[in-house]
Amino acid sequence: NAGVTQTPKFQVLKTGQSMTLQCAQDMNHEYMSWYRQDPGMGLRLIHYSVGAGITDQGEVPNGYNVSRSTTEDFPLRLLSAAPSQTSVYFCASSRHLRQSYEQYFGPGTRLTVT
Amino acid sequence: AQRVTQPEKLLSVFKGAPVELKCNYSYSGSPELFWYVQYSRQRLQLLLRHISRESIKGFTADLNKGETSFHLKKPFAQEEDSAMYYCALSGQGAQKLVFGQGTRLTINP
Repeated sequence: NAGVTQTPKFQVLKTGQSMTLQCAQDMNHEYMSWYRQDPGMGLRLIHYSVGAGITDQGEVPNGYNVSRSTTEDFPLRLLSAAPSQTSVYFCASSRHLRQSYEQYFGPGTRLTVT
Repeated sequence: AQRVTQPEKLLSVFKGAPVELKCNYSYSGSPELFWYVQYSRQRLQLLLRHISRESIKGFTADLNKGETSFHLKKPFAQEEDSAMYYCALSGQGAQKLVFGQGTRLTINP
């Protein structure tokens, strides 16, 4: 199993550009989520999904869109990049959020917006 | 609302000394609490969860509902414990995992 994969590893965008961060898992996990990691702020939840076709907002959803058309994939779209979106983005998945199931994290995507 | 606070951004101890990373939470119901760790150039991974009441790599954490704390402890620190540690909370029935700000632990030789 590859686990949770993310592409790209690094990305530089200009303000106003759009892009999609890819996330895939091969563990047949129901739950997937996106976080951003910023110094001194820890990991903050952007969006999450409890299954194909079901998504919901996390703590910091503005400027981001998600969709979950398959169990395996959970892409994160930046609609119009802003310097405030410079961050490291992590995708995670788990069998189920409840019952203390472990979350498995991807390697991260480091995004810089100039 | 769910909230997790890790009061120390940085913690530095000498090898062989005891380590305690603090975690306080705010949640009105019965929480599920976790410690995640990120070693240099590695992915974030689960270290331990309160429901398992286990010791992993010599670390333990006890949920104290009276003090709303879930501090991580190790009696004798090792250099390989140097990493970023995150405390996280999932509220009962909630579908979100909320993380604290993280503590960077450095073990000096």
